[in-house]
Amino acid sequence: DTAVSQTPKYLVTQMGNDKSIKCEQNLGHDTMYWYKQDSKKFLKIMFSYNNKELIINETVPNRFSPKSPDKAHLNLHINSLELGDSAVYFCASSPTLLAGHHTQYFGPGTRLTVL
Amino acid sequence: GQQLNQSPQSMFIQEGEDVSMNCTSSSIFNTWLWYKQDPGEGPVLLIALYKAGELTSNGRLTAQFGITRKDSFLNISASIPSDVGIYFCAGQLYFNKFYFGSGTKLNVKP
Repeated sequence: DTAVSQTPKYLVTQMGNDKSIKCEQNLGHDTMYWYKQDSKKFLKIMFSYNNKELIINETVPNRFSPKSPDKAHLNLHINSLELGDSAVYFCASSPTLLAGHHTQYFGPGTRLTVL
Repeated sequence: GQQLNQSPQSMFIQEGEDVSMNCTSSSIFNTWLWYKQDPGEGPVLLIALYKAGELTSNGRLTAQFGITRKDSFLNISASIPSDVGIYFCAGQLYFNKFYFGSGTKLNVKP
């Protein structure tokens, strides 16, 4: 029973292309995130959605556009891919903001390579 | 954004040894989380801490929420080869926003 799942696991593409990564969680959580992990393994938050509404947008180029069709899904679309976009992208989810105890669960990651 | 200083950056230890790593922040956090990441996988939550001074264990792992709310540490006792991986701390300030440390890479020699 996968809690947070992402597809695809690997994505290799040419510079300038447009690509999407999908994320789904079956934990019943209200908040979902996208993180970027660079080659030095640093995890940086990109976006967060709560109940389909954008609540965190961390100075990410507007080539990156998240979309949340419902609270169980958060997809990431990237336009005009650049070499510097190569990284591992992680989706994560958290229970409702109103809950006293905050936790966060990660998906398995999508390794994006831009050639 | 917030900076979390995690140390050490990497450790090479012998199987059976105890391990200690810590995270410090310039800001107060409301929650501290500790994760382990295996190669090619996503971070897996190990321990969550919610109260200053709280000490929580999960098997051979013990973590503490610093009394100043600006630091946390993780101890692993009697390390085994499968403890190898990268350990991350994460602090939560508000609105379910988490800041991550740079990770501690643990290597265990059998």
